[in-house]
Amino acid sequence: DVKVTQSSRYLVKRTGEKVFLECVQDMDHENMFWYRQDPGLGLRLIYFSYDVKMKEKGDIPEGYSVSREKKERFSLILESASTNQTSMYLCASSLDRALIGTRLRSNQPQHFGDGTRLSIL
Amino acid sequence: AQTVTQSQPEMSVQEAETVTLSCTYDTSENNYYLFWYKQPPSRQMILVIRQEAYKQQNATENRFSVNFQKAAKSFSLKISDSQLGDTAMYFCALKSGGSNYKLTFGKGTLLTVNP
Repeated sequence: DVKVTQSSRYLVKRTGEKVFLECVQDMDHENMFWYRQDPGLGLRLIYFSYDVKMKEKGDIPEGYSVSREKKERFSLILESASTNQTSMYLCASSLDRALIGTRLRSNQPQHFGDGTRLSIL
Repeated sequence: AQTVTQSQPEMSVQEAETVTLSCTYDTSENNYYLFWYKQPPSRQMILVIRQEAYKQQNATENRFSVNFQKAAKSFSLKISDSQLGDTAMYFCALKSGGSNYKLTFGKGTLLTVNP
């Protein structure tokens, strides 16, 4: 089974602090993602990475940055935490594509971590 | 831009009964994939079922099945013989076939199964 591990389940930080959220996957997946989940808004993509050192902005990248120095690890950084970044953060990973039978399939699902509930005071 | 709409924020069902969660979507692409994810309370989000848009046959996984209406851009989830463990937030998601990356999620439906 795929294992996506987020470093903390709960985290409390102060306004203005630099915050690091870490995510590690053990299945050699090319793609990794960071989402935030808020009630009534569903999941919104912050950043994703399709290879080491490669990253692309998602729908809400402002106030965040990411780092992918190794294939298995994808870090989310809050440069200067603010109270509106209080949220549940979910990391996910997926294969780029997989050989199913004799065909390459790109509909590989994302596998999620347990989430980090971050509170900014 | 892709959009996914789940019009039912909350639903409830009695144990052993059948419930259908609705999802509509919009995309300009002809090749795409649809997913239903389940997030139990305080637990990890997991994939329930997936559907390739080029397949006419509706996907099924045990008690879970979908009704995929491509022309109507509708992708509903039917849960048969509901169990207490089905209580969760359910998210519908859409992925473009041209991209291996981005999932667009709906806002979710909170399903409560009552004993």
